[in-house]
Amino acid sequence: GAVVSQHPSRVICKSGTSVKIECRSLDFQATTMFWYRQFPKQSLMLMATSNEGSKATYEQGVEKDKFLINHASLTLSTLTVTSAHPEDSSFYICSGVSGISKNIQYFGAGTRLSVL
Amino acid sequence: GQQVMQIPQYQHVQEGEDFTTYCNSSTTLSNIQWYKQRPGGHPVFLIQLVKSGEVKKQKRLTFQFGEAKKNSSLHITATQTTDVGTYFCAGDRGAGNMLTFGGGTRLMVKP
Repeated sequence: GAVVSQHPSRVICKSGTSVKIECRSLDFQATTMFWYRQFPKQSLMLMATSNEGSKATYEQGVEKDKFLINHASLTLSTLTVTSAHPEDSSFYICSGVSGISKNIQYFGAGTRLSVL
Repeated sequence: GQQVMQIPQYQHVQEGEDFTTYCNSSTTLSNIQWYKQRPGGHPVFLIQLVKSGEVKKQKRLTFQFGEAKKNSSLHITATQTTDVGTYFCAGDRGAGNMLTFGGGTRLMVKP
């Protein structure tokens, strides 16, 4: 199957700093990438849809100025959590969709963010 | 908006027992997907069901899609400890490849 690499896997930062998370499709071109947030023992909450070369589409309630998404190429999307606060601590997971597999999503390993 | 409900939330079974998780959507789906997330891991795609009434099997796993394309189920026969994890259904909204995930069913298997 398709492989999605997400980096870093874990990050601990101080409150007020910004954190960038990278999501790369290694063996396919991801025309669309998705960013999810997952709280412990809960489901995946879609934050935004990232399309290469265009602005991300954010779900209701997600602050676009807080969670900056850039999909600069068909293999890379980044999520930047700006001015992170303890309530932003969570597990963030990206996924990619290739044009071949249509709507099947291939997930990265996730990033566990802890804001002190 | 579209909601996808999944029951049960948790299930403890003895190894060798069967397990079923059920998924219901508030709206008709173009297709439904199932994912498995191992503890500490990320969701991994299992299968996609597209046709009304479709049934697919993967070894001990049987997936069904309802006639009205609003519900689905995953049945595991004779569970093993390797089946441990959270099983998510995800409904395709039919636009932009977006999925709405159910709450997941966490399966725990006692050896």
